[in-house]
Amino acid sequence: EVQLVESGGGLVQSGGSLRLSCLVPDFTSSQHWMHWVRQSPGKGLVWVSRINRDGSIASYADSVRGRFTTSRDNARTTVYLQMNNLRADDTAVYYCARDVRSNWDFDSWGQGTLVTVSS
Amino acid sequence: SYELTQTPSVSVSPGQTVSITCYGDKLGQKGAAWYQQKPGQSPILVIYQFTERPSGIPERFSGSNSGSTATLTISGTQDMDEADYYCQAWDGTTGVFGTGTKVTVL
Repeated sequence: EVQLVESGGGLVQSGGSLRLSCLVPDFTSSQHWMHWVRQSPGKGLVWVSRINRDGSIASYADSVRGRFTTSRDNARTTVYLQMNNLRADDTAVYYCARDVRSNWDFDSWGQGTLVTVSS
Repeated sequence: SYELTQTPSVSVSPGQTVSITCYGDKLGQKGAAWYQQKPGQSPILVIYQFTERPSGIPERFSGSNSGSTATLTISGTQDMDEADYYCQAWDGTTGVFGTGTKVTVL
């Protein structure tokens, strides 16, 4: 287990953009799929996206497909979530998570970064 | 889209056993993990692949699977186990979390 560190959250107007970053302080980070999960205030966890080891494969939840893009820079051990055309219902705490076994279970999470979209 | 259904809330007395279920179509053919989340904190993985417990997770947490239902059981529940619990699986190339169960230790 490692402690992931997200950053980049903040207040943005509807239709705007933000880029979240997730630093993985582990030299083996390039070996793992990485995921983004969000949680709206008072609500449950919602899976957002994932990216494979070398960044060549990504998949998205229906609610964000076409607006969000996940990428990674293994040299910087950092995963990104580019969020465009943001809507009020994108307001949430965004977590990055590590899939250490490549089996859709997440052993390490960040502390989360809050994204607030004002309408 | 694929859905995982959990009972919204359960209560348990300290020292007793509580079970939380997660239903999904053909869930047994996929795999399921369970997470514990306390207020203001990030989720913690407590069970993966239906029955496996990560290192550092107390033995009182166990998991099982039967057909389309995954179950998380907490034996000898302690006050510190009061939290929200979420199951999680996948469908094709997308992940899915359950609706969550709030466990209250009375």
